[in-house]
Amino acid sequence: EPEVTQTPSHQVTQMGQEVILRCVPISNHLYFYWYRQILGQKVEFLVSFYNNEISEKSEIFDDQFSVERPDGSNFTLKIRSTKLEDSAMYFCASSPIYGYTFGSGTRLTVV
Amino acid sequence: AQSVTQLDSQVPVFEEAPVELRCNYSSSVSVYLFWYVQYPNQGLQLLLKYLSGSTLVESINGFEAEFNKSQTSFHLRKPSVHISDTAEYFCAVSNTGGFKTIFGAGTRLFVKA
Repeated sequence: EPEVTQTPSHQVTQMGQEVILRCVPISNHLYFYWYRQILGQKVEFLVSFYNNEISEKSEIFDDQFSVERPDGSNFTLKIRSTKLEDSAMYFCASSPIYGYTFGSGTRLTVV
Repeated sequence: AQSVTQLDSQVPVFEEAPVELRCNYSSSVSVYLFWYVQYPNQGLQLLLKYLSGSTLVESINGFEAEFNKSQTSFHLRKPSVHISDTAEYFCAVSNTGGFKTIFGAGTRLFVKA
């Protein structure tokens, strides 16, 4: 069964550093997403991406965040200057239209 | 804007007992509805979805959910649970014209022997 692959599974970074979280969506999916889940809290929408541009973003997705699909297979989330409160599980998802397939997540720990 | 309310944060139940996890949503437009499951230390998996057609949808592992438009609910049920069903269950909604999906806070199902 096709999978969404996320790397790394766990990343520790110092506050103020830039991080890039990587995702390989399912190849024939058209829509791509990033969500995050702070420990013990709900899953929060960050951004959706379609046709090589952001289609929707939440208030969480401020200027510190950016997404890119650099080569037609990878889908990346960059956090420019990490803060302690960015510590969370970050999930990438892709979908043909509705009904996501999620990756297994990247646990980001900012120290 | 949509919102999702999962009425129970935790549901403990004995093995082989029936269970219902409740979900209510609010939206001013037509919606699609989903249940996702998250096993300990894993990602989110789509359990079942309602897009259109029959209001009763089923998953391959015995769960079912019924879309009730008048009550704006999408409760998840299973007639007999197993220990392996222990997980966090998230109800989610998206509008039929949008991209993002809104998740409820989750219900932790704990199946006891």
